[in-house]
Amino acid sequence: NAGVTQTPKFQVLKTGQSMTLQCAQDMNHEYMSWYRQDPGMGLRLIHYSVGAGITDQGEVPNGYNVSRSTTEDFPLRLLSAAPSQTSVYFCASRGTSPTQYFGPGTRLTVL
Amino acid sequence: DQQVKQNSPSLSVQEGRISILNCDYTNSMFDYFLWYKKYPAEGPTFLISISSIKDKNEDGRFTVFLNKSAKHLSLHIVPSQPGDSAVYFCAARDFGNEKLTFGTGTRLTIIP
Repeated sequence: NAGVTQTPKFQVLKTGQSMTLQCAQDMNHEYMSWYRQDPGMGLRLIHYSVGAGITDQGEVPNGYNVSRSTTEDFPLRLLSAAPSQTSVYFCASRGTSPTQYFGPGTRLTVL
Repeated sequence: DQQVKQNSPSLSVQEGRISILNCDYTNSMFDYFLWYKKYPAEGPTFLISISSIKDKNEDGRFTVFLNKSAKHLSLHIVPSQPGDSAVYFCAARDFGNEKLTFGTGTRLTIIP
């Protein structure tokens, strides 16, 4: 039981490049979400999904796309990276309880 | 508009003493509160939670208190241990949309 896994751990991009941050969970959780953590800002919700085929925007969705084709996977796409997207990204999932379980994070730097 | 506030960015406590971390909120629709602990270069890990129908929840050395009238919750760690040194986030669930809103975190340092 691996819980929530994220790849890659680190990534450096140039402005304008695209990439996908991967997130997978093996707990059969319906709810999955993406957060970003910036200094002094706590964790802010980017996008979330309440089940396969259903996604919705969080607090800071601009510049990010998501899709949910399976229960296990919830990738986050940056179509054209900007320096303002330099951050640490966390994926989380939860079952029927309100407690969300987080992955180890991806540290992204956009030059 | 910060709905969940942790007004102390940092806190230092002697080993063996009590650590008290505080959190204030403004949204009356919050019905469930959680505390997460985060070490550097790791994801947040769930610590303890409390429903709005309770005013206290204990789990070993950790106790969370909720004062709904004051819209305030606190996390007590007794006794504090060096391994407790981490950043602590409080989070609140909105009953209406089930989203979690996080505070900005408090860095706790336990002094040996």
